[in-house]
Amino acid sequence: DGGITQSPKYLFRKEGQNVTLSCEQNLNHDAMYWYRQDPGQGLRLIYYSQIVNDFQKGDIAEGYSVSREKKESFPLTVTSAQKNPTAFYLCASSRIRGELYEQYFGPGTRLTVT
Amino acid sequence: AQSVSQHNHHVILSEAASLELGCNYSYGGTVNLFWYVQYPGQHLQLLLKYFSGDPLVKGIKGFEAEFIKSKFSFNLRKPSVQWSDTAEYFCAVILENSGYALNFGKGTSLLVTP
Repeated sequence: DGGITQSPKYLFRKEGQNVTLSCEQNLNHDAMYWYRQDPGQGLRLIYYSQIVNDFQKGDIAEGYSVSREKKESFPLTVTSAQKNPTAFYLCASSRIRGELYEQYFGPGTRLTVT
Repeated sequence: AQSVSQHNHHVILSEAASLELGCNYSYGGTVNLFWYVQYPGQHLQLLLKYFSGDPLVKGIKGFEAEFIKSKFSFNLRKPSVQWSDTAEYFCAVILENSGYALNFGKGTSLLVTP
């Protein structure tokens, strides 16, 4: 079964703690993305990566970090520097050649920080 | 910067009513446009996309969208909605110079009543 998995589905943390959200894909896609979804805000881009060992900041990267050590994996760390971390986090992947720009999304992780 | 506007934030329709959700983008060059849908508790999934060619695009589940370049619009339509169309709908455009990441509108929440 091809797709994107994100774990865990729900995550609870205390303020001041870093937390890492997992994202794995077996679609052999080159590009991976992290978005944050807040009610009434749509999805906003946090980070993206087009190849292994390379990634770029999106619109709201402050307080987040990522790594791309393997093509299949793109974990996101929400650091204590992120001022408002409670949100729904979506990971996506896509091919980046030709007209195959469709992004496939994972089920998301809902993070609550208290 | 490219931006996407969705005019209707909340729409309530009765079954069998016709649907049109507005989407406008601000960008003068070549655009790649998408409509995504998020059913309750499910992954974000692609409804349809426009890259080039016929401006009337057909998608899944009876949805279609028309690209009108002169109006910078890409409105989503369905002639007769069903209760199962209750979902959140997002219009998106590929961001320039961002690894083909998507810039999303804020979304439209559609409720279809029996």
